[in-house]
Amino acid sequence: ILNVEQSPQSLHVQEGDSTNFTCSFPSSNFYALHWYRWETAKSPEALFVMTLNGDEKKKGRISATLNTKEGYSYLYIKGSQPEDSATYLCAFYNQGGKLIFGQGTELSVKP
Amino acid sequence: KAGVTQTPRYLIKTRGQQVTLSCSPISGHRSVSWYQQTPGQGLQFLFEYFSETQRNKGNFPGRFSGRQFSNSRSEMNVSTLELGDSALYLCASSLGGATKWNEKLFFGSGTQLSVL
Repeated sequence: ILNVEQSPQSLHVQEGDSTNFTCSFPSSNFYALHWYRWETAKSPEALFVMTLNGDEKKKGRISATLNTKEGYSYLYIKGSQPEDSATYLCAFYNQGGKLIFGQGTELSVKP
Repeated sequence: KAGVTQTPRYLIKTRGQQVTLSCSPISGHRSVSWYQQTPGQGLQFLFEYFSETQRNKGNFPGRFSGRQFSNSRSEMNVSTLELGDSALYLCASSLGGATKWNEKLFFGSGTQLSVL
């Protein structure tokens, strides 16, 4: 993998459902993996910065895991709420010093 | 603590014109990065400035340039605008320290540029 890839592109769930998305990135020359949430009409907001293989981060109902050896990260949302509706972006920090973003996963949570 | 401020919020220009966008980072942040967002594309990295020096650059033509002032405020300039330059331009600031990969970015609200 040369770029950052996120799947699925979009997701529609019901309130209360738990969901997860995937971010795939180059497994070589890893520095850090960032997750951001971007709500409509707002600015992207940082959720997590992860640097160590096996790292797990949690913020309320949202958590993330990191596997640098195989080049993927999962973002989990437990008991989705309508206010979780947003685009979730992951970004890979490469050796060149650039933060490279994926195209995002658009989550819609229906009441 | 004030957030990242971008001005103007909206801009309409015609092909061939040039445009300057401004970004004021969070107080104490010395790194400012610029990104372009177009429909169907992720955030595309333009460049990063730190202590008035361009520290990194993305794959954009030379029509895209930037600078940073001693107070860490940054400007981005696009000359000879093309229709394809229509996009949301976001800037983000961070402390920019030695382990900058470990630092969260704080984004502004963006400037929506429309080129007619």
